[in-house]
Amino acid sequence: AQSVTQLDSQVPVFEEAPVELRCNYSSSVSVYLFWYVQYPNQGLQLLLKYLSGSTLVESINGFEAEFNKSQTSFHLRKPSVHISDTAEYFCAVSLFYGQNFVFGPGTRLSVLP
Amino acid sequence: NAGVTQTPKFQVLKTGQSMTLQCAQDMNHNSMYWYRQDPGMGLRLIYYSASEGTTDKGEVPNGYNVSRLNKREFSLRLESAAPSQTSVYFCASSDLTGELFFGEGSRLTVL
Repeated sequence: AQSVTQLDSQVPVFEEAPVELRCNYSSSVSVYLFWYVQYPNQGLQLLLKYLSGSTLVESINGFEAEFNKSQTSFHLRKPSVHISDTAEYFCAVSLFYGQNFVFGPGTRLSVLP
Repeated sequence: NAGVTQTPKFQVLKTGQSMTLQCAQDMNHNSMYWYRQDPGMGLRLIYYSASEGTTDKGEVPNGYNVSRLNKREFSLRLESAAPSQTSVYFCASSDLTGELFFGEGSRLTVL
């Protein structure tokens, strides 16, 4: 069975600084990879996803993630964070297209002024 | 755009009471899910339904039952609530684009 590890439970960072949120997964077969974001008192929203093709994927608000098959990682990065990026970020994998998602424990990003 | 709608948003129960969480989606998605979210544990799948008329157990199904009433609606029932079921519950749906769409969550406290 597949699993997802997010080693950092909390990441504090100053505004306009770069940030990397780490995600590693284990699976014996190919997976689809996702990052979801949860703002306070809301449900999760898709930030970006890797299904196939280019290993670097980008979101509309400046985040990017790179799929590294050899290291089984899908780290999330942003070169310059804003206060509004404060949220909890979840990495997820699925074996089947649109089904059977497994989530990591989440990383709480706090952007400080 | 309603998306995924869950009710109720908040509920307090006493141990042994029963309740049903309701979920409806208006995106014509085939697959629907119930997750629970606990601090430091991410989201854990309780039950899912790949299509109308089918349901399957997820990672933590004990103490729960589900009904896929039709394509739009997927309910979660707690027959005899326990304090260990205190959690935030999320309903979600997905189609074959691979994206999950979540409701806003239902916060349940069992005393």
